[in-house]
Amino acid sequence: NAGVTQTPKFRVLKTGQSMTLLCAQDMNHEYMYWYRQDPGMGLRLIHYSVGEGTTAKGEVPDGYNVSRLKKQNFLLGLESAAPSQTSVYFCASSYPGTRVRWTEAFFGQGTRLTVV
Amino acid sequence: AQKITQTQPGMFVQEKEAVTLDCTYDTSDPSYGLFWYKQPSSGEMIFLIYQGSYDQQNATEGRYSLNFQKARKSANLVISASQLGDSAMYFCAMREGTGSARQLTFGSGTQLTVLP
Repeated sequence: NAGVTQTPKFRVLKTGQSMTLLCAQDMNHEYMYWYRQDPGMGLRLIHYSVGEGTTAKGEVPDGYNVSRLKKQNFLLGLESAAPSQTSVYFCASSYPGTRVRWTEAFFGQGTRLTVV
Repeated sequence: AQKITQTQPGMFVQEKEAVTLDCTYDTSDPSYGLFWYKQPSSGEMIFLIYQGSYDQQNATEGRYSLNFQKARKSANLVISASQLGDSAMYFCAMREGTGSARQLTFGSGTQLTVLP
């Protein structure tokens, strides 16, 4: 039972390089999210998707792009990496829930990205 | 304004004692869900407990309970009989109906250390 899987787990980039982080979930969740975690700041939402083919900006979207071509996959791209993007990135997925019963989000194991 | 506030950056507790981790929230939506996640040093995000705004009773899950005080807008996590394995970062988070993605909004976390 894989749940949410992120690839890669670690990466070091040089300033200006590009890369794509892959998130895959096998729980048939409609909603998927990308967060970044920085010391003392909790997790902040970068982009999200409420269904296949749809994406939207979160709290800190600058410098990132996303795509959701298939329901089970959510890709996060960095076109030109900057040292400020050094962080731990988490993907999460969930059902929408209802106004009576909100559902938890399931998280991947995280990707530690360092931009030098 | 912060939606989720965790005022204790660090907490210490003696093994086998109970500990309360504070969380206050801010929302104008009558429907919302409150969640606690645990992040051990290995980095993964582990869902612990959930409380819905319409729930009549406080949530409990094993040694975890949620002290939900709606009028005070607080949702404190209580861990009974602390164990060494409880040492971790703990995040309080909220989902509410106002955002289309119903994303989780996180607090900055509390680092709990259980002393032998």
